[in-house]
Amino acid sequence: DGGITQSPKYLFRKEGQNVTLSCEQNLNHDAMYWYRQDPGQGLRLIYYSQIVNDFQKGDIAEGYSVSREKKESFPLTVTSAQKNPTAFYLCASTQGTAGANVLTFGAGSRLTVL
Amino acid sequence: GNSVTQMEGPVTLSEEAFLTINCTYTATGYPSLFWYVQYPGEGLQLLLKATKADDKGSNKGFEATYRKETTSFHLEKGSVQVSDSAVYFCALSPYTGTASKLTFGTGTRLQVTL
Repeated sequence: DGGITQSPKYLFRKEGQNVTLSCEQNLNHDAMYWYRQDPGQGLRLIYYSQIVNDFQKGDIAEGYSVSREKKESFPLTVTSAQKNPTAFYLCASTQGTAGANVLTFGAGSRLTVL
Repeated sequence: GNSVTQMEGPVTLSEEAFLTINCTYTATGYPSLFWYVQYPGEGLQLLLKATKADDKGSNKGFEATYRKETTSFHLEKGSVQVSDSAVYFCALSPYTGTASKLTFGTGTRLQVTL
């Protein structure tokens, strides 16, 4: 079955460490997205990519970095510059890039900073 | 800018009760509107969508009508089940032909009891 695979599901990090969250899709979707979810705040867009080797900042990109070297992969690195990284991270994709396209989400990765 | 406002939860209902979750939006132009559902420990799934005024989205007994005059997209279901317990997110996407940068509401938790 086609879908989005995020790993790891749970991740613990010490302060000052960078961590990378994996996102792989086999849907042949063009665009991919990273969202952060915090209790009571809904979802906020971190980065998105419409095509390979190109990506744009979302609303809360500071302290994060991404790459899009392959169409099916869009890893997110949470750097030590992110002051409050504990959150639930969701990766998503869409077939095209028009506004009415439906997002397909992965199951998420929960990051906890110790 | 664009914004989505949802009623605060949690909403607690008995099985077979009628459900309404209010959603209003602020946007320029003609956005597409969505309801996504998140079951515990999972990513979001599309529940229904509407792309123009007066459209009614429906799925699994849930309905929502795109009301441009009141800028609303309220979610309704005539008879809820315990399995409907989840967090529901209202979202909009500007119809700009660019990436599907959804703006999400904060989510409304629904708890259905026997």
